[in-house]
Amino acid sequence: AQSVTQPDIHITVSEGASLELRCNYSYGATPYLFWYVQSPGQGLQLLLKYFSGDTLVQGIKGFEAEFKRSQSSFNLRKPSVHWSDAAEYFCAVGRSNDYKLSFGAGTTVTVRA
Amino acid sequence: EAQVTQNPRYLITVTGKKLTVTCSQNMNHEYMSWYRQDPGLGLRQIYYSMNVEVTDKGDVPEGYKVSRKEKRNFPLILESPSPNQTSLYFCASSSQAGTVYNEQFFGPGTRLTVL
Repeated sequence: AQSVTQPDIHITVSEGASLELRCNYSYGATPYLFWYVQSPGQGLQLLLKYFSGDTLVQGIKGFEAEFKRSQSSFNLRKPSVHWSDAAEYFCAVGRSNDYKLSFGAGTTVTVRA
Repeated sequence: EAQVTQNPRYLITVTGKKLTVTCSQNMNHEYMSWYRQDPGLGLRQIYYSMNVEVTDKGDVPEGYKVSRKEKRNFPLILESPSPNQTSLYFCASSSQAGTVYNEQFFGPGTRLTVL
């Protein structure tokens, strides 16, 4: 079975600073990788996804993520955070042989002025 | 407006009293799924459905049932709720055009408390 690890439970970052959220997965074949964001009291919204091709993918709201097969990682980055980026972020992995989707435990991002 | 709706949004019930949480989408999506969200555990998939009359278990199906009689609806049934099913539940749907791993659209969530 696949698993997804987000090592950081909570990150605090200053507005305008860069942000990197870590995601590691365990899966034998090539995974389908996603990052979702959940604003307080809201459902989840897709930020970006990776299936194949260029390992650096661009998403919405200025986010990008890089797939590194050798490290089994799919870290999310943003060069300059805005106060509106305060939210909970989830990494997710889908398998190619069925249609189950596994989420990490999430990382809460706090943005300080 | 394209959306996934869930009802009720909040529900407090007692152990053993059967309940149904409805989910409906107006995007003609083939794929629908139910998740529960618990602190420190993220979202865990309960059941999913590839299309009408096609359902399968996710990672935590025990204590839940689903049905998919119509494309737009995917109700979650708790036949005999227990306190460990107290959670925040999300329904999601996506188009299968190209790949089942297209973007999933999430409903607003249903907060369930079982006393």
